[in-house]
Amino acid sequence: QSALTQPPSVSGSPGQSVTISCTGTSSDVGSYNRVSWYQQPPGTAPKLMIYEVSNRPSGVPDRFSGSKSGNTASLTISGLQAEDEADYYCSSYTSSSTPRYVFGTGTKVTVL
Amino acid sequence: EVQLVQSGAEVKKPGESLRISCKGSGYSFTSYWISWVRQMPGKGLEWMGRIDPSDSYTNYSPSFQGHVTISADKSISTAYLQWSSLKASDTAMYYCARRAAAGPGAFDIWGQGTMVTVSS
Repeated sequence: QSALTQPPSVSGSPGQSVTISCTGTSSDVGSYNRVSWYQQPPGTAPKLMIYEVSNRPSGVPDRFSGSKSGNTASLTISGLQAEDEADYYCSSYTSSSTPRYVFGTGTKVTVL
Repeated sequence: EVQLVQSGAEVKKPGESLRISCKGSGYSFTSYWISWVRQMPGKGLEWMGRIDPSDSYTNYSPSFQGHVTISADKSISTAYLQWSSLKASDTAMYYCARRAAAGPGAFDIWGQGTMVTVSS
């Protein structure tokens, strides 16, 4: 099972919007709404930002939003802030051969 | 407070065995699957496998099947990840994570991570 494909890096100035794509296949992203996104600042554990494609856990700012079209999911950060600088990973449930999960390759978000 | 607390960093030699732990608190430990996630130095996240603490049913990523064993002791709310013979390539940070309460396809609570270093 290959990792989901994400761009290595995206960047934006404070206040701008950035979007991170997450491309999978019909066996994972395309078949299930179990796509989630995680934020990981350097040296820390990942933090859940979005679950089931577009739902935000309590405490996550509404600047973070998620969507999906076909085999590609996306995370958008609106009104970028310095504290948003981190690595971001998508994840999807997959039923290919055995039920399990697969993560994306990761995207470094830089606030200019 | 809902949390997962992992055991401390380990330094081992190739061929040695190891078991690291992940203790849940603040919630019903048997109600949520626990997954283990590997992060090699400077690399991304990799899902290794999961366990249902209520009955110890497990399933593994094909990439890790046969290389590690996941277990749990529900009497002490603790999940484990173990190796019988470590390799240098097992050097990584290992996280445990709880299946999200709000959505089964996500992980809402993460442990702080256990760094495993395998070196001769």
